[in-house]
Amino acid sequence: AQSVTQPDIHITVSEGASLELRCNYSYGATPYLFWYVQSPGQGLQLLLKYFSGDTLVQGIKGFEAEFKRSQSSFNLRKPSVHWSDAAEYFCAVGAGTALIFGKGTTLSVSS
Amino acid sequence: GAGVSQTPSNKVTEKGKYVELRCDPISGHTALYWYRQSLGQGPEFLIYFQGTGAADDSGLPNDRFFAVRPEGSVSTLKIQRTERGDSAVYLCASSFAGTPSGANVLTFGAGSRLTVL
Repeated sequence: AQSVTQPDIHITVSEGASLELRCNYSYGATPYLFWYVQSPGQGLQLLLKYFSGDTLVQGIKGFEAEFKRSQSSFNLRKPSVHWSDAAEYFCAVGAGTALIFGKGTTLSVSS
Repeated sequence: GAGVSQTPSNKVTEKGKYVELRCDPISGHTALYWYRQSLGQGPEFLIYFQGTGAADDSGLPNDRFFAVRPEGSVSTLKIQRTERGDSAVYLCASSFAGTPSGANVLTFGAGSRLTVL
């Protein structure tokens, strides 16, 4: 069955430090992979997506993610975190007709 | 509209009551999705519409849940005989319908928070 695992429930990063959020997926075919961000009281906003081609994808707000088929991973990275990046981040795989989401990672940013 | 609009933003009801949640998708988006997000969880798929028809309703938890999209635009999620366990944020999303649909890029609304007392 298709699934997405985000191993880290909560991460705290200092402002200006680098960030990596982990995502592992389970899907038999070529995966369509997404990262969404959700701020309190807001809907989910698409950060970036991977369909095919270059395994390093760039997204909005300075985020990037790297697809590694051998590790079934699609980790999200940002070189320098800003306080406004504090939010909940969801990795998702496009499976069949719908997206399957992980449980999310809450990012806190300390000053 | 400019974005996906969901009403009401908050709904408090009593156990056993009937509830309707409305979603107005982005104009021109033929695909519409409903998800449920419980506290501390990721969104869980409920149902997917392609036009007026439900193309995949495999995520509906039981027959108390039903959704319609009669004119291929606005959708209503209906919950009968609500239970405390139905308390969650119900998210609606829309997209252009591509093939395969797993590659559709979804735009989400802000959600309807349902609390069943």
